[in-house]
Amino acid sequence: GQQLNQSPQSMFIQEGEDVSMNCTSSSIFNTWLWYKQDPGEGPVLLIALYKAGELTSNGRLTAQFGITRKDSFLNISASIPSDVGIYFCAGPQDSGGSNYKLTFGKGTLLTVNP
Amino acid sequence: NAGVMQNPRHLVRRRGQEARLRCSPMKGHSHVYWYRQLPEEGLKFMVYLQKENIIDESGMPKERFSAEFPKEGPSILRIQQVVRGDSAAYFCASSPLAGLTEAFFGQGTRLTVV
Repeated sequence: GQQLNQSPQSMFIQEGEDVSMNCTSSSIFNTWLWYKQDPGEGPVLLIALYKAGELTSNGRLTAQFGITRKDSFLNISASIPSDVGIYFCAGPQDSGGSNYKLTFGKGTLLTVNP
Repeated sequence: NAGVMQNPRHLVRRRGQEARLRCSPMKGHSHVYWYRQLPEEGLKFMVYLQKENIIDESGMPKERFSAEFPKEGPSILRIQQVVRGDSAAYFCASSPLAGLTEAFFGQGTRLTVV
């Protein structure tokens, strides 16, 4: 099956710093989704990307759908303590693009030091 | 409008017992999805249900696992004769239309098999 590789696995940053993480796949995706999961909670959708090259922002978050359709990037600017959590990328699991059966990456754990 | 409610939040079962996990979707949502998250892993698709129908159960183990979403009441994920490897966090999500881009996840049920 399709696999998504996220890097880095974890990050330790100071409050106020910018953060960048990425997600790569060996196969093409038609949709990229970025989620955040707080400890003990379910994932929350942050940004959805539907088109190669698309750049979308949600507050301090910006995500891009790679031109090759095999990667995506998430950037967080001016990090704050509540940005702590695990960030997952996800995409449709099969070539048919069903938007309910997603493959998730293993996540990037972000820690922000005040 | 309450969010997706899952209960129990934590469940401990001995090997061989049955586990029943409940998911009450958000009001007006008729699509329910179950995902499983192993420690330090991303979420993995299990099953997609609409009221009284299983739409896609391709992610469900062939034995011991079953899911339902009756006309009345919550969706139930049932695991018979649990084994240690079933220990995981089980998340459900619900949406008004098909697809996870419109869905909200619950807080999950953390199953521990001892």
